Amino acid sequence: EPEVTQTPSHQVTQMGQEVILRCVPISNHLYFYWYRQILGQKVEFLVSFYNNEISEKSEIFDDQFSVERPDGSNFTLKIRSTKLEDSAMYFCASSYGRSSYNEQFFGPGTRLTVL
Amino acid sequence: GESVGLHLPTLSVQEGDNSIINCAYSNSASDYFIWYKQESGKGPQFIIDIRSNMDKRQGQRVTVLLNKTVKHLSLQIAATQPGDSAVYFCAETLNTGNQFYFGTGTSLTVIP
Repeated sequence: EPEVTQTPSHQVTQMGQEVILRCVPISNHLYFYWYRQILGQKVEFLVSFYNNEISEKSEIFDDQFSVERPDGSNFTLKIRSTKLEDSAMYFCASSYGRSSYNEQFFGPGTRLTVL
Repeated sequence: GESVGLHLPTLSVQEGDNSIINCAYSNSASDYFIWYKQESGKGPQFIIDIRSNMDKRQGQRVTVLLNKTVKHLSLQIAATQPGDSAVYFCAETLNTGNQFYFGTGTSLTVIP
């Protein structure tokens, strides 16, 4: 069964450093998403991406964040200068069509720890 | 802004019993709802969805009920099994968007 994969599973970084989280969505999916989940809190939407551009983003997704689909398979989330409060699980998801009509499939997540 | 919340943070049930997990949402414009299951160390996994033009939808051992009048969503799991132990989230979205709003989650523990 196709699945969303994410690498690395755990990333430890120093405050102020840049990190890139990687995702490989399901191959025939067209919509891609990043979510984060701070420990013990709810899953929060960051951004959705379609047709090589951001289609929607939340207030969390400020100028420190960027997304890219550098090739036909990868979808990345970059945090330019990490802060302590960026420590969280980051989930990538993909769907074939728009969220309101199509199931989003989630990856296993990357745990980001900012020291 | 939108908010989705769960009434009970934890729920323990005996194996074989039915489980009911509740969720309240605040945005009356939300028109699509999903229940997700999240096992430890894994990402959310789709369980069942429902659109706002329905009040009930059934899957395999799961039923979702939607009460738009009081903005309430529930997930019923029949004959709960140990493998059902997980955190359950409800999420809502608008028909016009791609952004899902998640609830805090209810931790379901099934006692063998």
